[in-house]
Amino acid sequence: KAGVTQTPRYLIKTRGQQVTLSCSPISGHRSVSWYQQTPGQGLQFLFEYFSETQRNKGNFPGRFSGRQFSNSRSEMNVSTLELGDSALYLCASSLGSTNEKLFFGSGTQLSVL
Amino acid sequence: GESVGLHLPTLSVQEGDNSIINCAYSNSASDYFIWYKQESGKGPQFIIDIRSNMDKRQGQRVTVLLNKTVKHLSLQIAATQPGDSAVYFCAENRSGSGNTGKLIFGQGTTLQVKP
Repeated sequence: KAGVTQTPRYLIKTRGQQVTLSCSPISGHRSVSWYQQTPGQGLQFLFEYFSETQRNKGNFPGRFSGRQFSNSRSEMNVSTLELGDSALYLCASSLGSTNEKLFFGSGTQLSVL
Repeated sequence: GESVGLHLPTLSVQEGDNSIINCAYSNSASDYFIWYKQESGKGPQFIIDIRSNMDKRQGQRVTVLLNKTVKHLSLQIAATQPGDSAVYFCAENRSGSGNTGKLIFGQGTTLQVKP
């Protein structure tokens, strides 16, 4: 069974631009969660989608948004990029309950110049 | 606060020795705990999990211990190998519709295995 796939692997953007990241979950998984990983803040929860609906959201500004499609694939968008948005963005998929393991992709490394 | 912390940022062990990585959590409402391993350039990889109704769970060469009295979690790796070198994260989840997909991660412990 294929794992979680994230594209692109690397991105370089400049301040003020916007970016869209893509995630394909494991087949049969309906929940997709997004995390931001930085050396200073560690892994932080952004949001979670299930059946095309955002169910939970972390403490990030509205510049961070996402969506999920009917095939469970998900995208996240960051608008008006700031230098501090440079991070590894990780996507994880699961069946969609609490207290279950999440399966992570390899992430998209975003650098904002 | 709501955080899952680790005691040591770096742990160095000799190949073949046992490793113990510790984690403290602050919220007694947490009822699910999970350990991940992250190698350079990769996403976190599931190692083992444990629910709050258990004290111990064993996997292949790994054991997780949960002490709810002192809110402490540990990961034991037997016969540590060079391939075990990575950053290890503990994470917690809590039951409830507001917590789906939402793991709270600790800061991570870097395990270095010396040949």
